[in-house]
Order: sequence, then structure tokens, then C-alpha cells
Amino acid sequence: DVKVTQSSRYLVKRTGEKVFLECVQDMDHENMFWYRQDPGLGLRLIYFSYDVKMKEKGDIPEGYSVSREKKERFSLILESASTNQTSMYLCASRAGDSSTDTQYFGPGTRLTVL
Amino acid sequence: RKEVEQDPGPFNVPEGATVAFNCTYSNSASQSFFWYRQDCRKEPKLLMSVYSSGNEDGRFTAQLNRASQYISLLIRDSKLSDSATYLCVVNIAGGSYIPTFGRGTSLIVHP
Repeated sequence: DVKVTQSSRYLVKRTGEKVFLECVQDMDHENMFWYRQDPGLGLRLIYFSYDVKMKEKGDIPEGYSVSREKKERFSLILESASTNQTSMYLCASRAGDSSTDTQYFGPGTRLTVL
Repeated sequence: RKEVEQDPGPFNVPEGATVAFNCTYSNSASQSFFWYRQDCRKEPKLLMSVYSSGNEDGRFTAQLNRASQYISLLIRDSKLSDSATYLCVVNIAGGSYIPTFGRGTSLIVHP
């Protein structure tokens, strides 16, 4: 079974803090994704990575950056957290770029920015 | 207009009922289609892929209609445990296949 883990289930930070969200997958997947999920808005793609050190912006990259130094790990960074970044953050991985490859999600990190 | 649209519901049905959801997509370059299930405060999990010929997995049947650009999910003999949000996902061809999610349809199955 694919396992995707996220560093924290719940996180509380203050406005202006730098926040790191970590995601690790154990199946040697090439693609990894970061989403945020908000009520009424569904899942929105922040960034994705199709290989080590490669990244592409999703629909809402503003205020975020990412890092993928190793294949198994994809980090989301909030350089200066703001209250509108309070959300559920979901990481996903996918084996490759075939149209039939499916995503596997981590359990999510619920971030609150005060 | 959002690329993938779903009726948010909630669909409120009794146990044993048959219920169907549709999901429409606007991008004709869409290549592959999936239904995910998300329980309250949990992560989405793959329910089933959707193939052109339609496919069935137990009580669940998924269909794709490329001409009208929609996919459907039919659940027969609903169980209480089917209560969840069902997310439609469309992979759109580009440099990489980017999954685009619908906002989900909420299903509540009551005794």
C-alpha cells in the first residue's frame, strides 16, 4: 500500500511566521502535489513537482514556495504566514505522468494562523 | 466557469435507495476521469477510475459520456457507510496530466 505521511495533523502559527509543511511518500513516486481545501471551494492546487528539484505552479501559488530535494519528500513553505492561509493542506503523490495514474493523499495538516 | 462542476447537494437518501451523481467538465482535452470519496475531516481516497466503456465495482457504477462531457456515479442499495463527499477528478492533458477536482457532492444516507 502507498503511504503518504504529513509532518503534523494540526498546526497553530502566528501571522508573519515562516511555516514548513512536510510530506513524505514511500513508493518512489515521481509526482507530488500540494493542495489546500477550504469549505465551498474544494481542493485547489498550490504547486506540484514531477521530479526532484522540478516544480510547477498550480492555481494558487501566491504566498507559498516548495522544495523537493529528495524524491520522497516535498515541502510546502509559507514564507510569512497570514490569516487567509488558515486551511486544510493536503499532500498527494502519483506514480508518474500516465493519464491513468491516480493520486494518493496524506492525512492532511489543518493549519490555523492567528 | 469552473472546469469541473458538481452539484454540491447534499443528497439525502434512505438506506437501500439508488442515487446518482453527475459531474460535467468543460475541457475537451480531458483524458482520464476518476471518482474519489472523502469522509468528514479525512483525506480523499480513490473510489474508482472511469473508463469509456463504463465500469462497475460492486454497488458502484461509473459512466463516461465524452460527447456531452460528463461522468456519472451510480450507487445502488445505499448503505449508511456510503455517507461521504464524492469528488469528481479530471486529468487534463498538458505538459503533465494535471488533476482538476470538482468541489464534491455530499451524500447523506439515513436509516
